[in-house]
Amino acid sequence: DGGITQSPKYLFRKEGQNVTLSCEQNLNHDAMYWYRQDPGQGLRLIYYSQIVNDFQKGDIAEGYSVSREKKESFPLTVTSAQKNPTAFYLCASSKRDRDEQYFGPGTRLTVT
Amino acid sequence: AQSVTQPDIHITVSEGASLELRCNYSYGATPYLFWYVQSPGQGLQLLLKYFSGDTLVQGIKGFEAEFKRSQSSFNLRKPSVHWSDAAEYFCAVARGNQGGKLIFGQGTELSVKP
Repeated sequence: DGGITQSPKYLFRKEGQNVTLSCEQNLNHDAMYWYRQDPGQGLRLIYYSQIVNDFQKGDIAEGYSVSREKKESFPLTVTSAQKNPTAFYLCASSKRDRDEQYFGPGTRLTVT
Repeated sequence: AQSVTQPDIHITVSEGASLELRCNYSYGATPYLFWYVQSPGQGLQLLLKYFSGDTLVQGIKGFEAEFKRSQSSFNLRKPSVHWSDAAEYFCAVARGNQGGKLIFGQGTELSVKP
């Protein structure tokens, strides 16, 4: 079955550590996205990529980094510079940049 | 700047009753509009979308939405709610001049009482 996988589902880290969240898709989609979700704030775009080896900052990119070396993969690194990293992170993909986006199941990151 | 407003943070309806969730958008050109549903701790699932054409669009799970340009609205409706419809619902608009990235509303949490 085609879809988007995110791993792990739950992630715990100590403050000051970098952590990388995985996102893989087998839908053959060109575009991929990372969102952050906090209670009562909807989803906010962190980074997006429309093609391999290219990506752009979203609305809240500070403290995050990404890479897009393969079409199927778009990992997100939450760095120690992110001041409030505890959140639910969602990865999505779309065939083209204006098509509907398909979402993964999410990773809940807790930093203490 | 483009924006999406969902005026109702939380709505409770009785099972079998009709449902309407409100969504207003601010966007200069013809928008691409979406409704997504999210169960607790899960990802988002697309319910329906509007790109162009017929302003009444049908989606999955018996949902429909109507695009009203004059009111800048894209309200979601369902004639008879089931207990399994309890979830959070998000309206979104694509930012056409910025690579199509989505702007999401704050979400409406739907509770269904027996």
